[in-house]
Amino acid sequence: GNSVTQMEGPVTLSEEAFLTINCTYTATGYPSLFWYVQYPGEGLQLLLKATKADDKGSNKGFEATYRKETTSFHLEKGSVQVSDSAVYFCALNSNYQLIWGAGTKLIIKP
Amino acid sequence: GAVVSQHPSWVICKSGTSVKIECRSLDFQATTMFWYRQFPKQSLMLMATSNEGSKATYEQGVEKDKFLINHASLTLSTLTVTSAHPEDSSFYICSVTRRPAGLTDTQYFGPGTRLTVL
Repeated sequence: GNSVTQMEGPVTLSEEAFLTINCTYTATGYPSLFWYVQYPGEGLQLLLKATKADDKGSNKGFEATYRKETTSFHLEKGSVQVSDSAVYFCALNSNYQLIWGAGTKLIIKP
Repeated sequence: GAVVSQHPSWVICKSGTSVKIECRSLDFQATTMFWYRQFPKQSLMLMATSNEGSKATYEQGVEKDKFLINHASLTLSTLTVTSAHPEDSSFYICSVTRRPAGLTDTQYFGPGTRLTVL
């Protein structure tokens, strides 16, 4: 069946470090892929998305490229800030529903 | 971006009582709304998909008689937790799509409602 696998957290980095949060998926067809972010005490927000192979989604300095050959959608940011501390969820749209990863908690230390 | 509101944001109730949670789409008409449940340190669990004017479609393992969903209009869906018990304590989140599910990929989420059952 369809599934999303994210790297386990928490991920702890220093400010200005490079970030990668891995996400791989299993799906039939050609799903759309998403990264959602949940800041402490807030609801989920769509961070970025990609709808077809080789598309790159980007927002707030974050990027992710839809790699069909490796079935991956890794989230990257060149220089993280303390304000990026949050839980990040990778998800895919399959059969009209979102399939979620377990979430990765990111902690950025000043 | 889209604005989705939920009310209340936090509710505490006694065991055995019923609690109603509202989800409103403020920016557009939402033909489809989704209800999720989030346990601590876990990802979201889809409970049901709600289409305006028809019965909700519940996920396997979700009791439809316990979690009553009413999608009364294109901007309002309600989730009622009936005869709540402590194990129902959780964070409930709704989301909406701009057009019927399948025609759009993006879901917009409400801020969530934290339910604590004593």
